Amino acid sequence: SAVISQKPSRDICQRGTSLTIQCQVDSQVTMMFWYRQQPGQSLTLIATANQGSEATYESGFVIDKFPISRPNLTFSTLTVSNMSPEDSSIYLCSADGGTAGNTIYFGEGSWLTVV
Amino acid sequence: KQEVTQIPAALSVPEGENLVLNCSFTDSAIYNLQWFRQDPGKGLTSLLLIQSSQREQTSGRLNASLDKSSGRSTLYIAASQPGDSATYLCAVVNSNSGYALNFGKGTSLLVTP
Repeated sequence: SAVISQKPSRDICQRGTSLTIQCQVDSQVTMMFWYRQQPGQSLTLIATANQGSEATYESGFVIDKFPISRPNLTFSTLTVSNMSPEDSSIYLCSADGGTAGNTIYFGEGSWLTVV
Repeated sequence: KQEVTQIPAALSVPEGENLVLNCSFTDSAIYNLQWFRQDPGKGLTSLLLIQSSQREQTSGRLNASLDKSSGRSTLYIAASQPGDSATYLCAVVNSNSGYALNFGKGTSLLVTP
């Protein structure tokens, strides 16, 4: 299994600012992902964080808005840039269990409110 | 594009009842299916993972089944308890999309004492 820690857990942000969310896994994992959960909605994949290379973004998400880093096999960051109220969401980091086909684990999420 | 649907959207039952949550998906070419629990304002807790070659998985009072050919999965909760109150999410990994999870919108469960 993998234990995933995210910070901040919550934040209130001003419109137009940027915030970086950190994700730390307690063991080396192959794949790390970032999801968004807007109020009342289910989770939507933003991107796959690739170690040592650029993240792979899903349709509707772009690097300029959501830059992602993954410097090693246990850590990743997601930045939400130039925030607007529409970015108010829970952002969740997830990781595989270390072996293909294993359980995907999630962090507790970072709840951002943009005012 | 894979679409995952969960029925019902919300469910309220008295404590002690057995219940079934349903999940359907449109593309049967999946790698696996996973059931999660989400408490309000929290992240997701993995409950059960079913590989595409498996028919069911059990953990305690939970049993999940998978019928890949018909695109359906069920989560059975036996002897429900108030602590089971949460949103239950079903998610599938497509065979051709690596590890990315496609989520349903969830079933919000309330178990009353």
